[in-house]
Amino acid sequence: GAGVSQSPSNKVTEKGKDVELRCDPISGHTALYWYRQSLGQGLEFLIYFQGNSAPDKSGLPSDRFSAERTGGSVSTLTIQRTQQEDSAVYLCASSLLGDPGLGGETQYFGPGTRLLVL
Amino acid sequence: SQQGEEDPQALSIQEGENATMNCSYKTSINNLQWYRQNSGRGLVHLILIRSNEREKHSGRLRVTLDTSKKSSSLLITASRAADTASYFCATVGNQFYFGTGTSLTVIP
Repeated sequence: GAGVSQSPSNKVTEKGKDVELRCDPISGHTALYWYRQSLGQGLEFLIYFQGNSAPDKSGLPSDRFSAERTGGSVSTLTIQRTQQEDSAVYLCASSLLGDPGLGGETQYFGPGTRLLVL
Repeated sequence: SQQGEEDPQALSIQEGENATMNCSYKTSINNLQWYRQNSGRGLVHLILIRSNEREKHSGRLRVTLDTSKKSSSLLITASRAADTASYFCATVGNQFYFGTGTSLTVIP
């Protein structure tokens, strides 16, 4: 069946420009996560959407980062005034229930968007 | 800061040998998960072990969890060249935290 898809797969931009990254989760999954993986680093949690609840934005590194999830499905991660340190692979994941407090849910990851800020 | 830390950072073995990777974490967890990432691909979930479990098997994978030491190990038996990938542990408490990964190379 269809998995999590992300677009674009690669994005090269100039410093100071805004970028939008898109994530299409698995149909029916109520939770959606954004992560960032910089070269040589582990995955860094950015933001978490669960149903209609207010998103957990605790991982966003600065106010230049924002994300929204329309209709409980597709999500867009926006980075404004990009900086070179924003260069990384941005991963999106979705899960069915999305409440780690109940013992965790398997997350299904997309292939990522590789962002390069020149 | 990252919660999980894997060691070794890189591991190279001959096909047929066993590969062991370790993960240490800092706070209490509900469960711990291991993922594999092939170059240029998304993460693939391998196995989940709950905090009240000590050992779990899945095919050629064996995972142990020691909550007193806050550590877990992933053993891949009879390794194959196709097992070449990066392996991450993820700890689940209030959030998911991923380690920096172990890069495994299996030489044919």
